[in-house]
Amino acid sequence: DAGVTQSPTHLIKTRGQQVTLRCSPKSGHDTVSWYQQALGQGPQFIFQYYEEEERQRGNFPDRFSGHQFPNYSSELNVNALLLGDSALYLCASSPGTGHQDQPQHFGDGTRLSIL
Amino acid sequence: DQQVKQNSPSLSVQEGRISILNCDYTNSMFDYFLWYKKYPAEGPTFLISISSIKDKNEDGRFTVFLNKSAKHLSLHIVPSQPGDSAVYFCAASAPGNQFYFGTGTSLTVIP
Repeated sequence: DAGVTQSPTHLIKTRGQQVTLRCSPKSGHDTVSWYQQALGQGPQFIFQYYEEEERQRGNFPDRFSGHQFPNYSSELNVNALLLGDSALYLCASSPGTGHQDQPQHFGDGTRLSIL
Repeated sequence: DQQVKQNSPSLSVQEGRISILNCDYTNSMFDYFLWYKKYPAEGPTFLISISSIKDKNEDGRFTVFLNKSAKHLSLHIVPSQPGDSAVYFCAASAPGNQFYFGTGTSLTVIP
């Protein structure tokens, strides 16, 4: 039973560029959430996708956008990259929206470095 | 505004002793609480959770305690093992809402 998978593992970009990160949820999960984890901090919620729509959004600018596909996989896009976007980006999946007393399961993340 | 706080960045414990990790929250609407463990270069791994209708949940060596009046939860690990050395995050959520994470506590279990 495959867990949450993310690609790529590492990525190096320069300021102003655009990046796309990918996530496949755990089998049986239909909801995908994205988090940003800066060094020494906890994961910060970016947004959540369910039924191919953004359902909730954290305090992140419009440069951060996403998409969910019919097979429940998801992409996170970041435009006009800033140095401060350097972080570990985590994808988490869960069955259904809201917590419904169900934990989210995380992938190993994509380490994004902005030069 | 940090709604979930872990005030101890690090904790060292002797192998075999009890590890107690603490977490405080500010939002009284939170009704579901979780602990995650994270090793370097890996994503957070779900450890244990508790609903606000309970004050204790136990799973093997791990027990989570919830004190709603104090808006405080703790994770007890007994006995602590060297393999428990990791960063521990607490998280909380209100119904239909996003998860909020603390900043983590790095636990070192000394053999």
